[in-house]
Amino acid sequence: GAGVSQSPSNKVTEKGKDVELRCDPISGHTALYWYRQSLGQGLEFLIYFQGNSAPDKSGLPSDRFSAERTGGSVSTLTIQRTQQEDSAVYLCASNIQGARETQYFGPGTRLLVL
Amino acid sequence: EDKVVQSPLSLVVHEGDTVTLNCSYEVTNFRSLLWYKQEKKAPTFLFMLTSSGIEKKSGRLSSILDKKELFSILNITATQTGDSAVYLCAVGGAGNQFYFGTGTSLTVIP
Repeated sequence: GAGVSQSPSNKVTEKGKDVELRCDPISGHTALYWYRQSLGQGLEFLIYFQGNSAPDKSGLPSDRFSAERTGGSVSTLTIQRTQQEDSAVYLCASNIQGARETQYFGPGTRLLVL
Repeated sequence: EDKVVQSPLSLVVHEGDTVTLNCSYEVTNFRSLLWYKQEKKAPTFLFMLTSSGIEKKSGRLSSILDKKELFSILNITATQTGDSAVYLCAVGGAGNQFYFGTGTSLTVIP
């Protein structure tokens, strides 16, 4: 069966441009998570979706970051007016339900802001 | 503030050695503790622990949770070069959020 997929795998952009990162979770997984991992750092929680709603947006670092999920499936993470400090690997994970279940990770999108 | 702390930050061993990785946590409404192996980008799942004192094993890897002392250990016996990776500990807490430690970087030298 297909796992979590993310696209693009790599993205290089110029400072100030907007970027969209996509995540396709495992079919049937209702919960979806976005994380950011900067070089040498642990995973930083960004946002969590249960279905199409985001009960926990507490990790979004600024109002330049937004995310949406449609049809209980695909999610996009948008970063507006990118800054160099946004450079990181953005990981998406999904699971059947939030409580107690392990998460399955996608391969990530490596974002480099020049 | 909820947090997960892993130690050591990095470790270099020789093939055949046994290693113990540590994870301590302070997380409200603990639900589960997870161990992941991260070699390139995507962390891959190793273990999920929810009950104290019950060891989980998979080949040369094993893990146990102590909910009283709020920590877990991951043991790897007879290490191989393929075990070289970053090992991440995550704890599920309130609001369906998972809190990750910064990881332990393990390097196994031939």
